[in-house]
This record gives sequence, C-alpha cells and structure tokens, in this order.
Amino acid sequence: DAGVIQSPRHEVTEMGQEVTLRCKPISGHNSLFWYRQTMMRGLELLIYFNNNVPIDDSGMPEDRFSAKMPNASFSTLKIQPSEPRDSAVYFCASSFSGRNYGYTFGSGTRLTVV
Amino acid sequence: TQLLEQSPQFLSIQEGENLTVYCNSSSVFSSLQWYRQEPGEGPVLLVTVVTGGEVKKLKRLTFQFGDARKDSSLHITAAQPGDTGLYLCAGARQTGANNLFFGTGTRLTVIP
Repeated sequence: DAGVIQSPRHEVTEMGQEVTLRCKPISGHNSLFWYRQTMMRGLELLIYFNNNVPIDDSGMPEDRFSAKMPNASFSTLKIQPSEPRDSAVYFCASSFSGRNYGYTFGSGTRLTVV
Repeated sequence: TQLLEQSPQFLSIQEGENLTVYCNSSSVFSSLQWYRQEPGEGPVLLVTVVTGGEVKKLKRLTFQFGDARKDSSLHITAAQPGDTGLYLCAGARQTGANNLFFGTGTRLTVIP
C-alpha cells in the first residue's frame, strides 16, 4: 500500500481564495482524520469520519472550513475564503476504528495564505 | 488548554546520552500511543500501551504507561542522531470514540 496520500504537498494562495486539500486513505481503513499543525498550537483535530460519516467536527475553526468524504477512498478539506491565519500544515490520517489502533498519517499539505 | 502536556518541550543532547520524555494529564486514557515526526513528514506510530503499568521496549526505546493511566514516559538509551525528531504522545479517551488527543510534543536533537 502506498500509505495515506495527500495533495498538494504545498499550496500558496492569496487571502480570500478557495483552497481544497485532498486525501486518499489506506484501503480498508474506515476512520479518517483531518489535523492542523502549527508551532503555537501543535496538532489539532479538525474533524473525523467513521465509515464516511462525519462524527465530530467540533475542531473545525469556523464556517469557512468544510470537509467531505464522498466515499471510502477520498476526502477533501475546503477553506473558503482563506485567511493568513489558516497558514499551517494540514495532515490527513486514517485508521481502523477502535481505541487501540494507531493512525497512519500522510505527508501533509503545507498551506501558506498571503 | 492541552489535555496532554509533554516535558521537556525541547531537548538537545550529545550522542550516547540517555534521556526521558514525559507525557502527563489529569485525565484517564484507555490507551496511549507515541509517535515520532521528522521534518516534512507526518507522525509515525512507535508504540501503543494499553494496560496501567505496562512497559514496552523497542530496541533502545522504553515506553511506560502510568499505573493510573494518566501519564506515560519514553526513555531512550544511548541516543543516536537518527533519534532526532518531534516526539508526540497521544491518548484515546474512554468514551468509545477512536479520536486521539495529541500532546504538546518534545523536540529532540541528538548531536553527533
């Protein structure tokens, strides 16, 4: 398996533009997580899905952020409109559901909003 | 407010030295995991501990879960430059959900 695949690896965009981050989880994993990492706040959970259904989106900063998982092999995180404070590394991770299973993370998308 | 606090936040040591990283919380966790993250990559799972008091060894790394399942430690013996990275602990609550709460991280640098 190629692991969790995220695209793009880097994104530079202007304030106000729409940004879409993509994730392909590991085949067979039924949980998917979106995290944001910054130096100040560390790794923050934004939203997670079990069996393609959003379970907890309480970490989504505000209405500008939305996430979808139309099928078991694809998820998107969209920011519209983007702001400079959204600049961070966004990680997608997948796992089997259950408390003791570890996560497999993608390589992340480094987002810079100027 | 972070659920899991790690200490120290930064650690720089010479190759061959030993070190311990701590992960503390006031909450109980059903399991706790340790990850290592290298620059430009996502965190990679090192170990999962489940039982209070459990000790697991991974080569030169020793992981311990506290008896009360509120804290954990990672001990590295004879550190090597390849151990350099960001070490993250992550806990699963007893709510039945499988989302992990990540610690604040310890950035380790091992100097050759």
